[in-house]
Amino acid sequence: DAGVIQSPRHEVTEMGQEVTLRCKPISGHNSLFWYRQTMMRGLELLIYFNNNVPIDDSGMPEDRFSAKMPNASFSTLKIQPSEPRDSAVYFCASSFGGAGDTQYFGPGTRLTVL
Amino acid sequence: AQSVTQPDIHITVSEGASLELRCNYSYGATPYLFWYVQSPGQGLQLLLKYFSGDTLVQGIKGFEAEFKRSQSSFNLRKPSVHWSDAAEYFCAVSRGAGNMLTFGGGTRLMVKP
Repeated sequence: DAGVIQSPRHEVTEMGQEVTLRCKPISGHNSLFWYRQTMMRGLELLIYFNNNVPIDDSGMPEDRFSAKMPNASFSTLKIQPSEPRDSAVYFCASSFGGAGDTQYFGPGTRLTVL
Repeated sequence: AQSVTQPDIHITVSEGASLELRCNYSYGATPYLFWYVQSPGQGLQLLLKYFSGDTLVQGIKGFEAEFKRSQSSFNLRKPSVHWSDAAEYFCAVSRGAGNMLTFGGGTRLMVKP
């Protein structure tokens, strides 16, 4: 399997622009997670999907952030409008969804908002 | 609320020396505990995990970790460090039926030749 695939790997945009990050989970995995990594706050869970349904979005910072999972093989994380403080590495991870199942992480998208 | 603390932000060891990275957790129930490693510019890779049973867990790359409930700790160890082990290490606890992870702040390991 190719593992979790994220695109783009790097994104540089200007403040106020819309940004869309993409994730393809490992085939057969039922759960998908979006994390954000910054120097100040470390690794934070943003949102968790199970069977394509958002289950916990308590980590989403504010209404500028939204995430969708239209099918089992694709998810997006959108920031609109983007701000410089959104600059971070965004990771997508997937798992089979059982308690304690291993989460497999993608390589991440490094977002820079100027 | 669940929390994970990694007291050491940076650790430097000589190649061939032993290593112990500390992790303390706070969790109301029996925890699921994980250690992940992140190489520069890469995603996270699972080293090992603990659910129940034997408190000494073996992982990949020669790493092991010991769960101590009385100390709320899950320290990662390796008897002899290799230069390729230089990376950042994250301890995490799983919360909820959905297996959502709460991560510690990470420990950056540097290896001296």
